[in-house]
Amino acid sequence: AQRVTQPEKLLSVFKGAPVELKCNYSYSGSPELFWYVQYSRQRLQLLLRHISRESIKGFTADLNKGETSFHLKKPFAQEEDSAMYYCALSGTGRRALTFGSGTRLQVQP
Amino acid sequence: NAGVTQTPKFRVLKTGQSMTLLCAQDMNHEYMYWYRQDPGMGLRLIHYSVGEGTTAKGEVPDGYNVSRLKKQNFLLGLESAAPSQTSVYFCASSFQNYEQYFGPGTRLTVT
Repeated sequence: AQRVTQPEKLLSVFKGAPVELKCNYSYSGSPELFWYVQYSRQRLQLLLRHISRESIKGFTADLNKGETSFHLKKPFAQEEDSAMYYCALSGTGRRALTFGSGTRLQVQP
Repeated sequence: NAGVTQTPKFRVLKTGQSMTLLCAQDMNHEYMYWYRQDPGMGLRLIHYSVGEGTTAKGEVPDGYNVSRLKKQNFLLGLESAAPSQTSVYFCASSFQNYEQYFGPGTRLTVT
């Protein structure tokens, strides 16, 4: 079975502080990992996926297969980063995503 | 392009009533999905479809049925609603296993 764990329900930081949203997964094969974000009153949207190795809105995430983690990081948080963040996994041959329970990021001024 | 749309946006049902949620996408995507979102549990997959005329069970399929008669539409049915089905329902679509595009959600309350 595949599982995604986001241990923090809420992460509160001040503007300009570094941010790390934790995501751990369990999967026996080679997974594909994603971060989705939901801003207030907006629909869920893709932030980044590990195979693209992009930096979106200053966020990066590295897949660590040894630690089975895919933590989301940003060196300097902005108030507009406040949102709900979901880590998700897609297994080999499987079309749907398994989501974590989400972490709410609050960036205070 | 409207992307992914969901109808209705809100609905209140009484226990035992039935209803159908409609998801439509105009991106010619093959894959469509229905998720439910509950506090503290993230999104859980109910059913999905990899093409017109095909459906498959997800993580929490009990109490729901789906149909994909047209490529652009994916219907989620509740035959006999229960309070445990109170949730926010999200539809999504994707081109194969690439990025999923989500609808705005349907908030359902079963009393």
